[in-house]
This record gives sequence, C-alpha cells and structure tokens, in this order.
Amino acid sequence: DTGVSQDPRHKITKRGQNVTFRCDPISEHNRLYWYRQTLGQGPEFLTYFQNEAQLEKSRLLSDRFSAERPKGSFSTLEIQRTEQGDSAMYLCASSLNRVNEQYFGPGTRLTVT
Amino acid sequence: AQSVTQPDIHITVSEGASLELRCNYSYGATPYLFWYVQSPGQGLQLLLKYFSGDTLVQGIKGFEAEFKRSQSSFNLRKPSVHWSDAAEYFCAVGNNAGNMLTFGGGTRLMVKP
Repeated sequence: DTGVSQDPRHKITKRGQNVTFRCDPISEHNRLYWYRQTLGQGPEFLTYFQNEAQLEKSRLLSDRFSAERPKGSFSTLEIQRTEQGDSAMYLCASSLNRVNEQYFGPGTRLTVT
Repeated sequence: AQSVTQPDIHITVSEGASLELRCNYSYGATPYLFWYVQSPGQGLQLLLKYFSGDTLVQGIKGFEAEFKRSQSSFNLRKPSVHWSDAAEYFCAVGNNAGNMLTFGGGTRLMVKP
C-alpha cells in the first residue's frame, strides 16, 4: 500500500496524559499536513511541513500541540496534558507540491476520558 | 479569508435517482476546489478537483462538478446514485500557496433502496 498511513488508528487516554501520533506520507510527497476533525464537522487545518520545515503553525490549537518532521519523511503530532476537548479524529495528508491535491490517511481517533 | 458553505447537512435520495450536492465558497482569487468523500470511520478520498480550465470536471465513481465563478459555487453531481454512494461529502477550497484546505461542514448522503 503506497498511500498515507497513520498510527495508531485509535487511542484512548486519560485526561492529563501526553499522546503522540505518527504519519507516514506517500513517499515522493514533500508536503505534509495535519488536520483535526470533530464529530459532525469538516476537517480543520492545524499545521503543515514542506520537507522538514514547518511553514505554518499558527493554527495549532494551543501550545499543548506540537508537530515535527525531523528528516522530511514521517511526521509526529504530540498533544501534551490532554483534555476532553481534544477528543477528535486527527488526519494527516500529503501532497507532491503546493499545487497538487492532498491525499489523506485513515486518521487517528483520539478519545480522552 | 477563505470559507466554504455546504447548505445541506443531510440529503436522502432513492437509488438510481440523480444527485446534486451544493457548495459555495469564498476566496479572493481563483480558487482551487475539491470534493472529498468520507465513509464512516475512514479518511477522506478525493473525488475530483478544479484548478483551472474547463469548468466541468469529471471525477471518480461517476461524479462530476461544475465551477461557476459568478455564483461562487462548485456543485457536485451524479446522474444515478448507487447504494454504495451513501457517505459524507466534503467540499474544500485551497489557497494559492497550497498550504491549507478549508472544508465545508459536509453533507451526509443517505440512499434509499
């Protein structure tokens, strides 16, 4: 399978714990995006990378959210001190360059209890 | 700022009937427009895209969409719906920098036998 993959697919955590999600983009894609989708809503943009550079992070929801893409390949999204309001589907997408369509992974569903 | 409105939250059609899902966007320049489909618990699959040129674009699964600049619309159509088309459909607009997609709230399609 050469599509975008995400791990884990589901995560249940207790409030206050830290969680980390991983995204592996399509191998030749240099752009990688993170979105959050809450129930009944469309995805909401969080941040994106071009290669290893994080070019937009002002839309990360709070300073508890951070993302990395250290070698320009896979990316991680970390949420520190999780809150119940963080419960959502976290989607990763990749694209070949800025004018190409984004391909989405299956998402990681986070439940904070 | 860019935005997308999908006026219909739910639509029910009979199998074999035609379908039109509405999408209105707001963007200052020529937009990049997309339709994605999401089945329950899954990521988003790209149905079709409009970047420039012919305003009627064909996509996968027999879907098409028409870009109407004067109406700021990009409605999705299918001449004959199949039961497997039941899903949530999202319209999205991308900016020229290609760094984010803004999604509408989605339209949930149900198909009656």
